[in-house]
Amino acid sequence: AQTVTQSQPEMSVQEAETVTLSCTYDTSENNYYLFWYKQPPSRQMILVIRQEAYKQQNATENRFSVNFQKAAKSFSLKISDSQLGDTAMYFCAFMQGGSEKLVFGKGMKLTVNP
Amino acid sequence: NAGVMQNPRHLVRRRGQEARLRCSPMKGHSHVYWYRQLPEEGLKFMVYLQKENIIDESGMPKERFSAEFPKEGPSILRIQQVVRGDSAAYFCASSPLAGSSYEQYFGPGTRLTVT
Repeated sequence: AQTVTQSQPEMSVQEAETVTLSCTYDTSENNYYLFWYKQPPSRQMILVIRQEAYKQQNATENRFSVNFQKAAKSFSLKISDSQLGDTAMYFCAFMQGGSEKLVFGKGMKLTVNP
Repeated sequence: NAGVMQNPRHLVRRRGQEARLRCSPMKGHSHVYWYRQLPEEGLKFMVYLQKENIIDESGMPKERFSAEFPKEGPSILRIQQVVRGDSAAYFCASSPLAGSSYEQYFGPGTRLTVT
């Protein structure tokens, strides 16, 4: 079974700084997708960024980018120019190709301080 | 285009009662997923449904839990004879088509509290 591990339960950063959230996963498959979801205090789950395993290029969405290391099974999220609105729980998730199930990590609480 | 809607947002039930959670997918979406989030945990997959069909229920507890997605109307997650351990946030997501290429759009969740 696939597993997703987020080893840092909590982090805080100053506004405008850069922060990196770590995630590792375990799978024997080659075809899969990786995601970062944000859950603000409203509890709404919001997709931040996704990465297809077959793509070597790291995904980027505005201030959010990933460092995808397939051999190391690592998928970290970098948030540049942190904003107060980035304060949230962040969940790393995995989906095997051909499956419909998202497998989530336990999450990491990020606090951006003014 | 309204997002995924879930109601109620908060539900309180006494032990032994039934809980019914509703999910209306986004317009044009025919695939629905239910996830459960226990306190301090990530979301755990429960069930995947298409209209009138359960496709994958590998994450559903064997007893007391059931789900449906009728031809007309919302998807329903039903929990019979609730126990304290059922207290959690239940999230519904929908997508337009099957396949990992399609994003699952999440609703705001229903927080169930069993007293």
